[in-house]
Amino acid sequence: EIVMTQSPESLAVSLGERATINCKSSKSVLYDSDKKNYLAWYQKKPGQPPQLLFYWATTRQSGVPDRFIGSGSGTDFTLTISSLQAEDVAVYYCQQYYTTPSLTFGGGTRVEIK
Amino acid sequence: EVQLVESGGGLVRPGGSLRVSCAGSGFIFKNAWMTWVRQAPGKGLEWVGRVRSETDGGTTDYAAPVKGRFTISRDDSKNVVYLQMDSLKTEDTALYFCATQGGFFPYWGRGTQVTVSS
Repeated sequence: EIVMTQSPESLAVSLGERATINCKSSKSVLYDSDKKNYLAWYQKKPGQPPQLLFYWATTRQSGVPDRFIGSGSGTDFTLTISSLQAEDVAVYYCQQYYTTPSLTFGGGTRVEIK
Repeated sequence: EVQLVESGGGLVRPGGSLRVSCAGSGFIFKNAWMTWVRQAPGKGLEWVGRVRSETDGGTTDYAAPVKGRFTISRDDSKNVVYLQMDSLKTEDTALYFCATQGGFFPYWGRGTQVTVSS
């Protein structure tokens, strides 16, 4: 099983400032044959289902604001919120889909307003 | 519009059984791989298992903590996927979501609460 480790567990950022969330996988999720990273990011707010933000590590899901940026490759990935808005307060999760059948999520990073 | 609606959650005693359902609409259900994900109180997201489409074999996969106790099945005539949970433990208490589309999930239901307690 690939273990996904997120850091930090929580962070507080001022409105308009940058928030950076890291996700590290215990083995590479870059598939050699198609050169794609099998990594997704989700935003989870209380009382709501998770919302897909990115897939293939860097492909933004339709409707996701461009202040959200996904980057990284191999084992190290980053979700950046370039200018934090109040509605971005949530818990963010990375998820690998490289290994089947077992998909795994990171432990989550809580983003709050400072 | 894709919609997934879970139902059937409730309170069950340890060792008991419960079946929850997820009804899908707005997409070709028979072609979809359907997945269950849960979130225990105060915890993160945990993949539970999935069922492939019948054209892809209709086979199932499960996470280690639930393998042998949970069974996922589908009824494509009703556009419903089921999660049968047996030998329930207190640590199975969670909000259970169904989701769909491949290895990543753009579509989710709102979840159904399962509480295992004596």
